[in-house]
Amino acid sequence: DADVTQTPRNRITKTGKRIMLECSQTKGHDRMYWYRQDPGLGLRLIYYSFDVKDINKGEISDGYSVSRQAQAKFSLSLESAIPNQTALYFCATSDGTGNQPQHFGDGTRLSIL
Amino acid sequence: SQKIEQNSEALNIQEGKTATLTCNYTNYSPAYLQWYRQDPGRGPVFLLLIRENEKEKRKERLKVTFDTTLKQSLFHITASQPADSATYLCALDMGDYKLSFGAGTTVTVRA
Repeated sequence: DADVTQTPRNRITKTGKRIMLECSQTKGHDRMYWYRQDPGLGLRLIYYSFDVKDINKGEISDGYSVSRQAQAKFSLSLESAIPNQTALYFCATSDGTGNQPQHFGDGTRLSIL
Repeated sequence: SQKIEQNSEALNIQEGKTATLTCNYTNYSPAYLQWYRQDPGRGPVFLLLIRENEKEKRKERLKVTFDTTLKQSLFHITASQPADSATYLCALDMGDYKLSFGAGTTVTVRA
């Protein structure tokens, strides 16, 4: 089983709809992150959380919100989806100590029509 | 703001040759730098981490260098194989365990 699981893997929806992307991890890490990936732009940080009670905005948080329901679960919501939010979305985790690598899920491909 | 540039979007090489990828950055002095591999339809996978006081790091056929004066990291794949075909991302430490990623370089190794 994957250490970082994202659901759904693919989603097509319409402008104005509310969407939730979910992420769960079995690595026991405190830190979790949401990124979006667009062609030619690389990964951009949307939100990050250092523990259940700590949520922080990343560089592109407008139009998004998150919830850290438990150490293992971190969900991303688009309250009213718009077409320019069409992208690949990745969840990642990292150990809270030292300069550690991030561990990614396999992403959600989101298309907003 | 931090700017990270990775050399040309695509690199095509012959099997057995060495692939060299470049990661240049500005406006920051990261304490460490990481390299990831990403296959189509998959999330990035961590390969190597190098600290600012390390000049070079190796892992099997991979070698990373980090020149803080030039603000540049080089990533080498020696004796390349078709299975090395993927997109490679560099990522810089932004403090508080946040990373800033480059757009990636896609490597294709021809048999």
